[in-house]
Order: sequence, then structure tokens, then C-alpha cells
Amino acid sequence: TQLLEQSPQFLSIQEGENLTVYCNSSSVFSSLQWYRQEPGEGPVLLVTVVTGGEVKKLKRLTFQFGDARKDSSLHITAAQPGDTGLYLCAGEGQAGTALIFGKGTTLSVSS
Amino acid sequence: DSGVTQTPKHLITATGQRVTLRCSPRSGDLSVYWYQQSLDQGLQFLIQYYNGEERAKGNILERFSAQQFPDLHSELNLSSLELGDSALYFCASSVGPAGFYNEQFFGPGTRLTVL
Repeated sequence: TQLLEQSPQFLSIQEGENLTVYCNSSSVFSSLQWYRQEPGEGPVLLVTVVTGGEVKKLKRLTFQFGDARKDSSLHITAAQPGDTGLYLCAGEGQAGTALIFGKGTTLSVSS
Repeated sequence: DSGVTQTPKHLITATGQRVTLRCSPRSGDLSVYWYQQSLDQGLQFLIQYYNGEERAKGNILERFSAQQFPDLHSELNLSSLELGDSALYFCASSVGPAGFYNEQFFGPGTRLTVL
């Protein structure tokens, strides 16, 4: 069974700080997606990475897919209160299989 | 707004009852997915349909069933409800079943409370 472990589980920081969230597995994924979810709402797709070593930037967010396609990280620069939410990574195993979601990292950014 | 709609938003019912949750995918999306989210289990994949056919099954209980209709909307039926079925139920849709086409867009969810 493929599993995705996210760390840390909870993160509470001050506005302006930098942070990194990790998503790790012992399995290889053909693609990996990051989502952000706010309380009472559905997850919103942030990015999809498919190539080992790939780096994608979305404003202050930087996503990296590991060379072996087993892990990924999300780095946020100068966090803002609006970044508060649950960050979920989701991996696709063999092409065409359902996404496997990690349990998420709950981020709280205070001003 | 993701373009995925779910009804109802909230549902309160009693143990032993049966409920139906409805989902309309984004225009043009052929795949529909159902997920259950609880505090202790996180987001659990239940089942996927692609163009009317069941494509993948996850941790879906035998008391639960789903279908996708010709107009591509989907319904999730939950029967013989138990207290532990209380959770958020999300529907998501994507263009296709794999790769970039598997980028999923989630609806706002249905909060089910079983008393």
C-alpha cells in the first residue's frame, strides 16, 4: 500500500517567517499534487509536478519534486496570514490509479 | 468557485437511515471522485467514475454505493448509517483519469452528521 507522510503535522508561525512542508513516501509516484484547504471548504489545487527534480514557483510558494519521485516539498517565503490553511499532498501511483492523499499540514500564520 | 457543485451542504440524520449526496462535475469533466474526510483519518478516497463507468475503488464500505449518470452527475448513497459515518464528504472532478488530466477540482462538500 502506498502511503504519503506529511510533516510537520502542525505549524504555527509569525507573519514574515519562512517555512517548509515535507511529503515523503517509500513509493514512486508518476505525479504529485499539492492542495490547500480552508475550514469548511474543499481542497484547492495549487500545483502538479511530474518530473523528478522539477521545481515550480507560484508567487511566494516553491514546490519541488524529488529526483526519485518519492518525495516533495513546499516552501513558503515570507508567510502571510492568508497562507493559513491545511496543505495536502497527493500522489498518483501508476498512471490511471486514484490519488493517495497525505494527512496534511495545518499551517497557522499570525500577524 | 471550482465549478463543482454538491448538494446538500449539510445533512443531519439518525443512525440506521439512508441518505443520498449529489454532485455535478465541472463542465467538460468526465471523471468524478468521492472522498470522505474526518479529523482522524484525513481525506480518504472512496470511489471514482469515468464517463459513467466505475474506474477505481478505495476504502468504500459495502453500505455505501455510488453511480454516475449519463449527464455525468454522480450520487453517493449511504445506508444503515452509523455514528462513525459522520464526516465531510467531498466530490471532485477531473478531465480524465490519469496524469495531468487527473488534476482534481473539489466541490464545497457535504457535512453529514449522524445522531
